[in-house]
Amino acid sequence: NAGVTQTPKFRILKIGQSMTLQCTQDMNHNYMYWYRQDPGMGLKLIYYSVGAGITDKGEVPNGYNVSRSTTEDFPLRLELAAPSQTSVYFCASRLGASSTDTQYFGPGTRLTVL
Amino acid sequence: RKEVEQDPGPFNVPEGATVAFNCTYSNSASQSFFWYRQDCRKEPKLLMSVYSSGNEDGRFTAQLNRASQYISLLIRDSKLSDSATYLCVVDNYGQNFVFGPGTRLSVLP
Repeated sequence: NAGVTQTPKFRILKIGQSMTLQCTQDMNHNYMYWYRQDPGMGLKLIYYSVGAGITDKGEVPNGYNVSRSTTEDFPLRLELAAPSQTSVYFCASRLGASSTDTQYFGPGTRLTVL
Repeated sequence: RKEVEQDPGPFNVPEGATVAFNCTYSNSASQSFFWYRQDCRKEPKLLMSVYSSGNEDGRFTAQLNRASQYISLLIRDSKLSDSATYLCVVDNYGQNFVFGPGTRLSVLP
C-alpha cells in the first residue's frame, strides 16, 4: 500500500511553460485535494474532488486546472507557468467526509518557475 | 479574521519541558478538528484528532472548547524529535480542511 504518490519530486520551469503534476492514491479514497505551500507559509487549497468526475475550486485556483477521471488519479495542470507559482505542491486524499476521516498527504512536488 | 489562527511562535524550549499551543477558529459550524505535524520540507502528517471530551496520546493531550472555538495541544516531556511545525486543522462541512499557519517548535538539548 503506497498511499499517496506524487511525481515529479522536483521541477524547474521557464515562464510560460506548461506541466502536469501527477497524484495517485491506492487507498480507494473518494476525496482528493491539491494544496500549495509557499516558504514559511501555511497550506492553501487549490482544487479538490469528492469523487471521479467531480471537481471544485479551492482558495487559490487561478492558473491551475484539474481533472478526476478515475478514483485513483488527480492530476494538476499548470498552463502558463509564472514565477508566482513557485511553491511546494502537496496532493492529499481522504476516505470520505466522516469526522474520523483524516487527510493523507503525498511527499510533495517542489516547483520553481524562472 | 482568518479562519484558523495559531500562536505565531517559534517556541524554543529545553528537553523535558512542557509546551502548549493554542488555536482558534472562526466558523462555529466546523465539525472536526485535528493536529498535524510537519517536519522541515516534508509533508504534513496526522498527529492526533481532537475530540470534544479531550483526548490523550502518550505525551500529547488535545483539548477542544466549542463554545470558545478554541483548540489546544499540550506536549509533556519534550523530546528533540518533537521539533517541527504543528498545524491546527479544522474540517468545514465535511468537504475540505482549513489549515492554520502553523506554530514552529524547537526543542533544545
